Amino acid sequence: DVVMTQSPLSLSVTLGQPASISCRSSQSLVFSDGNTYLNWVQQRPGQSPRRLIYKVSNRDSGVPDRFSGSGSGTDFTLKISRVEAEDVGVYYCMQNTHWPPLTFGQGTRLEIK
Amino acid sequence: EVQLVESGGGLVQPGGSLRLSCAASEFTFGRYWMNWVRQAPGKGLEWVANINQDGSEKYYVDSVKGRFTISRDNAKNSLYLQMNSLRGEDTAVYYCATQWAAAEHYWGQGTLVTVSS
Repeated sequence: DVVMTQSPLSLSVTLGQPASISCRSSQSLVFSDGNTYLNWVQQRPGQSPRRLIYKVSNRDSGVPDRFSGSGSGTDFTLKISRVEAEDVGVYYCMQNTHWPPLTFGQGTRLEIK
Repeated sequence: EVQLVESGGGLVQPGGSLRLSCAASEFTFGRYWMNWVRQAPGKGLEWVANINQDGSEKYYVDSVKGRFTISRDNAKNSLYLQMNSLRGEDTAVYYCATQWAAAEHYWGQGTLVTVSS
């Protein structure tokens, strides 16, 4: 199984400041079709999860452009250019290249300082 | 607006069974793979199972193989999860979610399953 390792596991950021979350996979996430199936999922307190980013860097519809994804192979990053209050929650990376099983990272809790 | 509505959760004794349902609307249900993902209290997300468009392919996380069965009824735009031989560690909110590889991706609101005597 592919292990997804996130860091840090918690993050405290001042409003308006940037934030960055790292995700590392135990093997390359490049699929035979050339795509890299790495997603980022946000879960706000008390809400269902929501996908933010798919295939490393594609934002889902309605996701603010302050969210960006980057990376390749086994190393990936989610960046928030300027943190807003509504960004509080837990962020998960998730891979759907090598499955079953589809696997999630442990989650990174973002709070406002 | 796409909606996924889960139902069927509740309190069940260890060894018991439950059947979860997920009703989809405003969504071309039959074109997509569908998933069940769960979240134990205070824990992270865990993928449980998925099923292809016509139900001919089904995959499970090892911890539920032989106990859970995923199925779908495209005529009813519905996804199901039959859960047998339930254990305490199956206690979680269960979410249905659409195909990960698609450009659009949706989650339901979740249904809570509690396994306890």
